[in-house]
Amino acid sequence: AQTIHQWPVAEIKAVGSPLSLGCTIKGKSSPNLYWYWQATGGTLQQLFYSITVGQVESVVQLNLSASRPKDDQFILSTEKLLLSHSGFYLCAWSPRTVSNERLFFGHGTKLSVL
Amino acid sequence: AQKVTQTQTSISVMEKTTVTMDCVYETQDSSYFLFWYKQTASGEIVFLIRQDSYKKENATVGHYSLNFQKPKSSIGLIITATQIEDSAVYFCAMREGRANYNVLYFGSGTKLTVEP
Repeated sequence: AQTIHQWPVAEIKAVGSPLSLGCTIKGKSSPNLYWYWQATGGTLQQLFYSITVGQVESVVQLNLSASRPKDDQFILSTEKLLLSHSGFYLCAWSPRTVSNERLFFGHGTKLSVL
Repeated sequence: AQKVTQTQTSISVMEKTTVTMDCVYETQDSSYFLFWYKQTASGEIVFLIRQDSYKKENATVGHYSLNFQKPKSSIGLIITATQIEDSAVYFCAMREGRANYNVLYFGSGTKLTVEP
């Protein structure tokens, strides 16, 4: 069975500090990977997606970057956090070979920027 | 312009009744896919049901079913025999085209409260 693990569960960070969030997918080779952001009480907004190692596409510019250093790992980061970065970050995956399959979401990371 | 619109911010129903949540979408593509997810109090996002644009039959999974009205660009979610544990925020979403990595646009969500 496939599992998706996100870390950390929650973070409290200062404005201007760096950030690194991660997720790992086990039990599925070469998945498509995604980062989503949700403002408190808001909708989910796709930030990035990756269909292969080393290749990441940006969907929305929020002064964040993403990388896929390994087939099963997706990293979201920034060197300087803004207050507007607060929210809930969700990693998700979908099978690459099945067209239009649903997304499988991780449990998310709650980020508070103070 | 918003591609997916959910106008109902919150709904409250009694247990064991039927509830319908509305969603309208906007697309120029002839091929698109519509999804409903729910977000539990813990933040977990759970997939519920999917409708493919080329299918005329309404999708049904367990006590979830869809009311797909293509001419109106509408995809309503119907939950029958609601249970307390159905209380959650329900999101409608749309993906255009056939590629898995195409952007999945979400609506703003409808908070459902099921009262005992």
